[in-house]
Amino acid sequence: GAGVSQSPRYKVAKRGQDVALRCDPISGHVSLFWYQQALGQGPEFLTYFQNEAQLDKSGLPSDRFFAERPEGSVSTLKIQRTQQEDSAVYLCASSLQGAPSYNSPLHFGNGTRLTVT
Amino acid sequence: AQTVTQSQPEMSVQEAETVTLSCTYDTSENNYYLFWYKQPPSRQMILVIRQEAYKQQNATENRFSVNFQKAAKSFSLKISDSQLGDTAMYFCALTKNSGYALNFGKGTSLLVTP
Repeated sequence: GAGVSQSPRYKVAKRGQDVALRCDPISGHVSLFWYQQALGQGPEFLTYFQNEAQLDKSGLPSDRFFAERPEGSVSTLKIQRTQQEDSAVYLCASSLQGAPSYNSPLHFGNGTRLTVT
Repeated sequence: AQTVTQSQPEMSVQEAETVTLSCTYDTSENNYYLFWYKQPPSRQMILVIRQEAYKQQNATENRFSVNFQKAAKSFSLKISDSQLGDTAMYFCALTKNSGYALNFGKGTSLLVTP
């Protein structure tokens, strides 16, 4: 596709519910990243995929957060038993290959705004 | 640990004027990359400009340019001939050569007024 696509754009969940957020990266991009952006803050790194391999999940805040990219394209971020502190915008980004660099900068989607009530 | 500091939470500039957004950072790496991203109300982070740390020459992209001072660990963004469409949050970001995470500052909210 022309850009990174994320769905849904908005998600409201009751505390304790599970949610799944989808990311469709730019076609041909090997690298995929998930970021969490709390209100009034900059994005915080969650996890990184190279193709289908999850090479870095050091930013996931708890074991309730799980991400996958089974075929090396579309990725899903799942949050189990949502809590109010999970309320944030979840941004997905893709890049040509590898870590962010001058020749492989991140291209972001519009994000999913998650509100946990 | 790497940190990125944007000391101006909010700024305002009149249309057609020039504005400079500041960014300082701390890193122990010698090779790294710096970015400025723009985030309008649509929430999409849009790449504005990028800089390689080992290049002395300041990056320029049309009306956007940076003042990169490696020794001072400063990476300010200058927007010339400001336009109403430049109104957005601006984030400075830093990555190290061997890492996957992009570290962002807290952002500067820029308002361009007629």
